[in-house]
Amino acid sequence: EAQVTQNPRYLITVTGKKLTVTCSQNMNHEYMSWYRQDPGLGLRQIYYSMNVEVTDKGDVPEGYKVSRKEKRNFPLILESPSPNQTSLYFCASSLGQGSVYEQYFGPGTRLTVT
Amino acid sequence: DAKTTQPNSMESNEEEPVHLPCNHSTISGTDYIHWYRQLPSQGPEYVIHGLTSNVNNRMASLAIAEDRKSSTLILHRATLRDAAVYYCILPGGTSGTYKYIFGTGTRLKVLA
Repeated sequence: EAQVTQNPRYLITVTGKKLTVTCSQNMNHEYMSWYRQDPGLGLRQIYYSMNVEVTDKGDVPEGYKVSRKEKRNFPLILESPSPNQTSLYFCASSLGQGSVYEQYFGPGTRLTVT
Repeated sequence: DAKTTQPNSMESNEEEPVHLPCNHSTISGTDYIHWYRQLPSQGPEYVIHGLTSNVNNRMASLAIAEDRKSSTLILHRATLRDAAVYYCILPGGTSGTYKYIFGTGTRLKVLA
């Protein structure tokens, strides 16, 4: 089944403890992206990747890192999480980088930083 | 980056058509218009997208104004399962970047 998977789905951690949220897609998609969703603010893009080893900042990249060493994986790294990074995170992928392509989203990761 | 404007919320009766509007007056000639929806406790789900002509698929229809400054997502017969937040977006940006700006969307309530 074609899908985007994220792990973990739920995570509670403490301030400053490095964490990684994994994202994987099995559709051979070139474009992958991370979003955070907060009440009243909608979905905001954190980082995106147009292909292996090619990444760029979205609208809210501060405090996050990403890497794209393989086409199928696009992990989101929080080196030193803070409470303002408590949010619902979504990973997405699409076949290509043009606006002609639709995105497919993962189920989300709910992160709480205390 | 091109911006869209949608009503915050709309209501519809079950089994009636729903027309969800979106304004995008700064759209460029190559911007596709995308619609996604997000059901409660789920990730966003692709609904439909188009460039100039009206588009139909199994989920919905997309009507695009002739000047492309607005579009309307049409659900032909709303069901309770269609209650969701609907986002109209124009993927793209400057210098070959491809950002997605979702905004807060339209919350659709379907009444039984």
